[in-house]
Amino acid sequence: NAGVTQTPKFQVLKTGQSMTLQCAQDMNHNSMYWYRQDPGMGLRLIYYSASEGTTDKGEVPNGYNVSRLNKREFSLRLESAAPSQTSVYFCASRQGAIADTQYFGPGTRLTVL
Amino acid sequence: GENVEQHPSTLSVQEGDSAVIKCTYSDSASNYFPWYKQELGKRPQLIIDIRSNVGEKKDQRIAVTLNKTAKHFSLHITETQPEDSAVYFCAASSLTSGTYKYIFGTGTRLKVLA
Repeated sequence: NAGVTQTPKFQVLKTGQSMTLQCAQDMNHNSMYWYRQDPGMGLRLIYYSASEGTTDKGEVPNGYNVSRLNKREFSLRLESAAPSQTSVYFCASRQGAIADTQYFGPGTRLTVL
Repeated sequence: GENVEQHPSTLSVQEGDSAVIKCTYSDSASNYFPWYKQELGKRPQLIIDIRSNVGEKKDQRIAVTLNKTAKHFSLHITETQPEDSAVYFCAASSLTSGTYKYIFGTGTRLKVLA
């Protein structure tokens, strides 16, 4: 049982390049989330998905797109990377109907030059 | 929009002393309040949580209190140890678009001095 996994662990992009961050969970969780973490700013929600086939914008969605491919996988795409998107990205998942804890992946450290 | 304020941003205590971190939330619909510990380079991990129908919860050296009227909740760590040094985040959760959305505080860097 790997929990929440993310790939890649590290990535360096040039301004304007695109890439997709991958996230998968094997806990049969319904809800999945993408956050970015910047120094002094905590975790900010980019997008979330209540269930397979649904996605919603969080606090900072501009410049990102997401796909909930199936129940296990939730990917985050940067179409045209900008230096302001340099950050650590965390994926998280949680079970379902009641309020309960999220489980986080190990994170992806992204640098945009 | 909803927000969570967390104070202090940094906190230094002597080993064995207590540490208190405070959070205030704005969304009165919030009903679940987790606390996460994040060590350098690692993912956030849950250390304790509280639901809105409970005023206090304790787990060994860690306790959380909730005042719904004032929209305040606090983390208390007693008998601090060097391994408690980390960044701590509070969060408030409410039901939105069919699931629970979490708003995080900006974090408190706790240093326990030996």
